[in-house]
Amino acid sequence: KAGVTQTPRYLIKTRGQQVTLSCSPISGHRSVSWYQQTPGQGLQFLFEYFSETQRNKGNFPGRFSGRQFSNSRSEMNVSTLELGDSALYLCASSLGQRGNTGELFFGEGSRLTVL
Amino acid sequence: DQQVKQNSPSLSVQEGRISILNCDYTNSMFDYFLWYKKYPAEGPTFLISISSIKDKNEDGRFTVFLNKSAKHLSLHIVPSQPGDSAVYFCAASGHLPYKLSFGAGTTVTVRA
Repeated sequence: KAGVTQTPRYLIKTRGQQVTLSCSPISGHRSVSWYQQTPGQGLQFLFEYFSETQRNKGNFPGRFSGRQFSNSRSEMNVSTLELGDSALYLCASSLGQRGNTGELFFGEGSRLTVL
Repeated sequence: DQQVKQNSPSLSVQEGRISILNCDYTNSMFDYFLWYKKYPAEGPTFLISISSIKDKNEDGRFTVFLNKSAKHLSLHIVPSQPGDSAVYFCAASGHLPYKLSFGAGTTVTVRA
């Protein structure tokens, strides 16, 4: 079955702009989570959505937001971009149910560069 | 606060030898541990996992060991192959299985 699809793959923005990233999960997966990867920091949890509801949020400022649609597709938005927001943004999907062991299926990521 | 730490940013090993990757964690509430592998320009892919009720899990060339008292786990790759050259992330989850805490990653280079 098709994997997790993220668009766009690469984008360049300037400080102060805003950006929207999109993620289509694996068919049947209702949980979508977002991670930010920067050099030396690993993957930092942004937030997770399940059935259109945000279940948990990481320690990121309010400029980072997201949503999930009824078809489980998700978007994340970053407003008022800063240079430090340059990173690889990874989306992951899973069944998301209690008892799930945490194995996530990741997309290839959206590489954001802020100039 | 980094709850999962991979203190070795890189590891170089000769083809055919053993690769040992280490990971330490601080949160005693973690009860499931995973290793992910990442190639450049690709997303991380799941490699192997272990529940806190076990101390060892093996899958082919990959074995993960868990030492709960030391809050330490390790990944052994035997024998190492050139295709194993990648970044390896250690991750852990607790009562929120969908929220993983990741280490910073270890870049493994397998020399021919």
